[in-house]
Amino acid sequence: DAGITQSPRHKVTETGTPVTLRCHQTENHRYMYWYRQDPGHGLRLIHYSYGVKDTDKGEVSDGYSVSRSKTEDFLLTLESATSSQTSVYFCAIRQGGKGPFSTDTQYFGPGTRLTVL
Amino acid sequence: QQQVKQSPQSLIVQKGGISIINCAYENTAFDYFPWYQQFPGKGPALLIAIRPDVSEKKEGRFTISFNKSAKQFSLHIMDSQPGDSATYFCAASEDTGKLIFGQGTTLQVKP
Repeated sequence: DAGITQSPRHKVTETGTPVTLRCHQTENHRYMYWYRQDPGHGLRLIHYSYGVKDTDKGEVSDGYSVSRSKTEDFLLTLESATSSQTSVYFCAIRQGGKGPFSTDTQYFGPGTRLTVL
Repeated sequence: QQQVKQSPQSLIVQKGGISIINCAYENTAFDYFPWYQQFPGKGPALLIAIRPDVSEKKEGRFTISFNKSAKQFSLHIMDSQPGDSATYFCAASEDTGKLIFGQGTTLQVKP
């Protein structure tokens, strides 16, 4: 599982409240990602980080912010949750391969199921 | 805009049969094409991946076939087993490492 944990694993909240999801890794990987998974859409990238304090937007970043003050932690914040943000959120880390035919594997955490009422 | 299109949405195969899932992409800058397997309640797990300099990669019962000119790639599961029942996602990325996923295929292998 590449030492990835996510917390909380389940959360129910109300529209308009702030929510923070945490991704924690233990193997000092540089790259970390937040995705959301919705039926019919696969997984879509929200934000990603390529180092401490270095982050960038993905394809569905509106309504989300992220922070990475330590290598091991990548936080996803919904400033004011909406029902459209009900989803399963996955964190991933990227391991670089070695050699000319390497593949850059992303390993995913167990997910956080968020329900916004 | 869906940059990676996956089909079929669902697939039912008899035990011992061949499961085939197809993906098509648009961005010719993509240079890494992984397939992920996901069981209910779990995160996706890398199954097999390919780069466009080869046309086929096989790992056990799983094979990726890649057609660069057609911008298509597919996953073949030989001798499908009930334990293969899961959701499968194709994906593609450029050197940035940002993965673009297909919509997913739910595979059911009947005993």
